[in-house]
Amino acid sequence: ETGVTQTPRHLVMGMTNKKSLKCEQHLGHNAMYWYKQSAKKPLELMFVYNFKEQTENNSVPSRFSPECPNSSHLFLHLHTLQPEDSALYLCASSPGDGYTFGSGTRLTVV
Amino acid sequence: DAKTTQPNSMESNEEEPVHLPCNHSTISGTDYIHWYRQLPSQGPEYVIHGLTSNVNNRMASLAIAEDRKSSTLILHRATLRDAAVYYCILLPGRNAGGTSYGKLTFGQGTILTVHP
Repeated sequence: ETGVTQTPRHLVMGMTNKKSLKCEQHLGHNAMYWYKQSAKKPLELMFVYNFKEQTENNSVPSRFSPECPNSSHLFLHLHTLQPEDSALYLCASSPGDGYTFGSGTRLTVV
Repeated sequence: DAKTTQPNSMESNEEEPVHLPCNHSTISGTDYIHWYRQLPSQGPEYVIHGLTSNVNNRMASLAIAEDRKSSTLILHRATLRDAAVYYCILLPGRNAGGTSYGKLTFGQGTILTVHP
């Protein structure tokens, strides 16, 4: 257990479904991040939140919608995804130097 | 963002030392050198970081060249559990206000294979 908890660990969803990924940390970190890792590719930064405010969106399609209700929780809302969105989605938090990652959600879009 | 260059893969035998190189010739004076590793089916985990001086912790040692244009992650005695992808990443230091900034940008990393 790293201190960053992601649920669910695995998710299979149809292209017309709506689902949400959850990330939780009680490490007191002010920054939280969503990363995507597709097969055979480096991790790609998707969104950055600092003190609950979104500070970066790396040209992520609108079918991915992040939400940060407080500094301990981060969500990624998913709707009308495509099969190519199947990947490992990783959440991380940081106090400013050094990141702590969760174990990820393995998402399969069918 | 300053870029790093690492070999695609390296191999080692169990119980032997491993030296993982990283080149970062465009590093700026305030960039910290971070190393992370990702074991199979897990998220990346922090290994070590440094600025100018060599650093040691329970996982590894980090040797930083005097001109800071390269560094080497040293695993003193590789075990099978050290088989992972190792990433060398530059991050700016925290600003004087202490607020979070800087983002971890991953390259391809070095795939380390450890043979029994």
